[in-house]
Amino acid sequence: AQTVTQSQPEMSVQEAETVTLSCTYDTSENNYYLFWYKQPPSRQMILVIRQEAYKQQNATENRFSVNFQKAAKSFSLKISDSQLGDTAMYFCAFKFTDSSYKLIFGSGTRLLVRP
Amino acid sequence: DVKVTQSSRYLVKRTGEKVFLECVQDMDHENMFWYRQDPGLGLRLIYFSYDVKMKEKGDIPEGYSVSREKKERFSLILESASTNQTSMYLCASSLAGSPYEQYFGPGTRLTVT
Repeated sequence: AQTVTQSQPEMSVQEAETVTLSCTYDTSENNYYLFWYKQPPSRQMILVIRQEAYKQQNATENRFSVNFQKAAKSFSLKISDSQLGDTAMYFCAFKFTDSSYKLIFGSGTRLLVRP
Repeated sequence: DVKVTQSSRYLVKRTGEKVFLECVQDMDHENMFWYRQDPGLGLRLIYFSYDVKMKEKGDIPEGYSVSREKKERFSLILESASTNQTSMYLCASSLAGSPYEQYFGPGTRLTVT
């Protein structure tokens, strides 16, 4: 069975610094998608970034970037120039390409950005 | 912008009550989902619907049922609420097809006493 592991339940970072959130997954499939979702306190969960497994280039969205290591089954999220609004729960998620729906989520990492 | 709304942000029910959680999306998405979110467990899929009147069980369907009579609306039903169903419930929707992200509602925090 596919699993997604986030080994850091909580992290904190000083405003303007860089932080990396870890995610590992386990699958025997070769084609899949990986996602990072952000859930701010009392607000809706939103997609931060998405990576297709067949693409070697790491995805980037403004201050957010990933380090995708397919052989190691690792998918970490780097947040540069952290802002107070980055304080949130972050979930890593995995999705098969041949499935129209199933997302498998990690347990989440709570990130606190300190002023 | 995609909008997914849920009928209540907070709900308190008694053990044994029948509970309805409603979700509405306004982007004509084919897929709709109900998740349960618990600390340390992430999100777990309860039920999924890919079309009107169509549903599939997720990972933890026991104690729950769903209804999708209209494309935009997806209801989660707790036939007889129990204290172990106290949780945050999240609804989501997406277009059909692999790359499409899921859009989430604000969540309903349900307490069963």
